[in-house]
Amino acid sequence: GAVVSQHPSRVICKSGTSVKIECRSLDFQATTMFWYRQFPKQSLMLMATSNEGSKATYEQGVEKDKFLINHASLTLSTLTVTSAHPEDSSFYICSASGTGSGNEQFFGPGTRLTVL
Amino acid sequence: EDQVTQSPEALRLQEGESSSLNCSYTVSGLRGLFWYRQDPGKGPEFLFTLYSAGEEKEKERLKATLTKKESFLHITAPKPEDSATYLCAAKPISGGYNKLIFGAGTRLAVHP
Repeated sequence: GAVVSQHPSRVICKSGTSVKIECRSLDFQATTMFWYRQFPKQSLMLMATSNEGSKATYEQGVEKDKFLINHASLTLSTLTVTSAHPEDSSFYICSASGTGSGNEQFFGPGTRLTVL
Repeated sequence: EDQVTQSPEALRLQEGESSSLNCSYTVSGLRGLFWYRQDPGKGPEFLFTLYSAGEEKEKERLKATLTKKESFLHITAPKPEDSATYLCAAKPISGGYNKLIFGAGTRLAVHP
């Protein structure tokens, strides 16, 4: 199956700092990438959808100025959590779909963000 | 509003005890129904896609089926390594070509 990687897997930061998370499709071209957030024992909540070379589409209630998404190439998308606060602590997961993935969504391993 | 509901929330089985997980969906039009497996602290792992009522797919001890209102994930003679959270997701016709609506998941624990 298609492989999606995320980096870092874990990050701990101080309140007020910004954190960047990378999502890469390793063996296919991801025309669309998705960013999800997951709280303990809850399901995935879609935050935003990005198409390569276009601005991301954010779900209702997600602050676009706080969660900056860039999808500059067919293999890389980044999520930057700006001025992070403890309530931003969560498990962030990206997924990708495109040519070579059968248009299915394949997920990365996730990034655990802890804001102190 | 598009919605996906999974039941039960949690399920405990003895090794070898077969069972089924349920996924009920309400969407304006279904483009596809997906099953994923998620282990703790990991991203979801793709299992199956079903596109039309009556369709079935199998992989090892798992079989997924689809009707017009729900999908079932049947687990035959489960082993402890099948313990995980199983997520289903519906891809509606509206709201973006690849958008998935996830259920809350069923946490499966298989004990030896």
